[in-house]
Amino acid sequence: GAVVSQHPSWVICKSGTSVKIECRSLDFQATTMFWYRQFPKQSLMLMATSNEGSKATYEQGVEKDKFLINHASLTLSTLTVTSAHPEDSSFYICSARQGGSYEQYFGPGTRLTVT
Amino acid sequence: DQQVKQNSPSLSVQEGRISILNCDYTNSMFDYFLWYKKYPAEGPTFLISISSIKDKNEDGRFTVFLNKSAKHLSLHIVPSQPGDSAVYFCAAKVQRWGKLQFGAGTQVVVTP
Repeated sequence: GAVVSQHPSWVICKSGTSVKIECRSLDFQATTMFWYRQFPKQSLMLMATSNEGSKATYEQGVEKDKFLINHASLTLSTLTVTSAHPEDSSFYICSARQGGSYEQYFGPGTRLTVT
Repeated sequence: DQQVKQNSPSLSVQEGRISILNCDYTNSMFDYFLWYKKYPAEGPTFLISISSIKDKNEDGRFTVFLNKSAKHLSLHIVPSQPGDSAVYFCAAKVQRWGKLQFGAGTQVVVTP
């Protein structure tokens, strides 16, 4: 149990375009989802926390207009990178937490390359 | 400001021997610590955790030690196996429902 999927697993897009990444909890209802970003050989940095049905809470330094997060249902959250630039190239990982539980379950990640 | 630090980026250990991974933290409010294992192009998977009220937690081949006064924790893997080759992240949070703060990770390579 507690499986989290992400789609796509990798994506290449051109500078200036937008790309959407999906995070799904497959066998549980995720009241809270988290989005992380990881640069090579660095730690996972929390970008934002989203609770189902409400606006995401962004960490300091993360542009909310650039990284749009939607958590419209208990099993799906999406991260849209708008007007992508090469510096947005990174590994994006989501995690999900069930209501009443403190455990986070991580998705496999999405490799974004902006050319 | 990196509140969780893993100062060893890599560790090589022989199969069957002990792997010791270290982690230091600066925030005295952290009260829950976790270790995650991560393979390339995959998300982290939970390994073992420890609450600040304990100094040791054991689960099979994995033992985590916590030294609160030194703000230091370590993960021991005994015996090390080839499948243990991965990146290990130390993480900490204030309260069980709090946000996770990750260290930079330690790449473990287990050699035959």
